[in-house]
Amino acid sequence: NAGVTQTPKFQVLKTGQSMTLQCAQDMNHEYMSWYRQDPGMGLRLIHYSVGAGITDQGEVPNGYNVSRSTTEDFPLRLLSAAPSQTSVYFCASSFSSNQPQHFGDGTRLSIL
Amino acid sequence: AQRVTQPEKLLSVFKGAPVELKCNYSYSGSPELFWYVQYSRQRLQLLLRHISRESIKGFTADLNKGETSFHLKKPFAQEEDSAMYYCALLLMSYKLIFGSGTRLLVRP
Repeated sequence: NAGVTQTPKFQVLKTGQSMTLQCAQDMNHEYMSWYRQDPGMGLRLIHYSVGAGITDQGEVPNGYNVSRSTTEDFPLRLLSAAPSQTSVYFCASSFSSNQPQHFGDGTRLSIL
Repeated sequence: AQRVTQPEKLLSVFKGAPVELKCNYSYSGSPELFWYVQYSRQRLQLLLRHISRESIKGFTADLNKGETSFHLKKPFAQEEDSAMYYCALLLMSYKLIFGSGTRLLVRP
């Protein structure tokens, strides 16, 4: 039982490059979300999804796109990376929004 | 605006001392609050939630609507409690927002 799997674990990008962070869960969870973790700011919600085909913006959505074509996968896309997007990104899932969130190991992203 | 505030970035106590990690929230709706913990080299995980009113690893948290607080308490800290603790608030819009976190350091 893998839980929530994030790939890659580390990535370095140049400004302007695009990239997709992958997130997959095998628990048949309806609710999935993406957070970024920055020093002194905790976790900030980027986008979330309450089910396949349904996504919505979180607190800091600018510069990021998401889609949810299947229950299992919730990729996060950076269309044109900026240094301000250097962060650790966490994906999480749960049966519903008010159930405990299961987190992935995170992706450490550096943008030069 | 909806907000979760954890005023302490770092809380350092000695083993056996009481611990209180502060969390205040700002929300006009009916709050649903959680505490999450991240131990070194481990994933972020749920510690407890206010609706279950249970004690996990000796920690408790009581929702005080009058003071809009959800402080996390433990009467006797252990070294293995050292970790990063996050308070989180679930909004009616299904958004789960987190505070900035408090690092708890329990010294031997």
